[in-house]
Amino acid sequence: GEDVEQSLFLSVREGDSSVINCTYTDSSSTYLYWYKQEPGAGLQLLTYIFSNMDMKQDQRLTVLLNKKDKHLSLRIADTQTGDSAIYFCAESPNSGYALNFGKGTSLLVTP
Amino acid sequence: DAGVTQSPTHLIKTRGQQVTLRCSPKSGHDTVSWYQQALGQGPQFIFQYYEEEERQRGNFPDRFSGHQFPNYSSELNVNALLLGDSALYLCASSLPRTETQYFGPGTRLLVL
Repeated sequence: GEDVEQSLFLSVREGDSSVINCTYTDSSSTYLYWYKQEPGAGLQLLTYIFSNMDMKQDQRLTVLLNKKDKHLSLRIADTQTGDSAIYFCAESPNSGYALNFGKGTSLLVTP
Repeated sequence: DAGVTQSPTHLIKTRGQQVTLRCSPKSGHDTVSWYQQALGQGPQFIFQYYEEEERQRGNFPDRFSGHQFPNYSSELNVNALLLGDSALYLCASSLPRTETQYFGPGTRLLVL
C-alpha cells in the first residue's frame, strides 16, 4: 500500500506543546486520522480531518493539514504525563474503509 | 454501553496450528475490520466484513480467513500458523461509510 511516515520518538517537558508530524504519499487520501495507543491497550481515536480542511481544533488538540505537501501534524497543547503514549497517523481514501497506518511516534512527557 | 470486545486476551500456539479469534462490535455497529499489529509496527489491515460478506481485503495470504455472524460479531481464523504470525490482533467496528472506527483491546497471539 501507500506509505505513511512518522518520526519514531518525541520527548517533551510537561506543560510544553507537542507536535507530531506525519507525511503520506497517497494523493487519494480523503480522511486522515490520529490514534493514541497506551501500553498493552488498543487504539483510541483522538481526532480526524477531511482532506478539504486545513485545520481542526478539539480542546487541547490541533490538527493541521497541508494537502499540497501531503503533511499532517498533531499539536497537543499543555502536554501532560498522561499523554505519554504511541501516536499513530492513518489515512483512508474512503470513509469507513481500510485504514493505512504509520509506524507510530512514541511520545514521552517528562516532569 | 459496551465498547468493542475481543476474546481471548492472550493466546499461545505452536507452528502449524490453527487459531480462532473473536470480536463483538460496539452496540449499533454492523461493520467489523481486523488488523494485525506486529511489535513496534503500526496496524496492518487484514479484512473488513459488512452484511456477513468480506467487503475489502488487505495483503494477507489465504491462511487468514474470517466470518461475520447475523448479530454482527466476527471471527478471525488463521491456519498453519507461522512464527511471523505472532502479533496483536485488533478488531475495529463502525457504522457503514462513517469516519470513526472504534478499536477493541486486541488479542495478543504468540506462536512458538
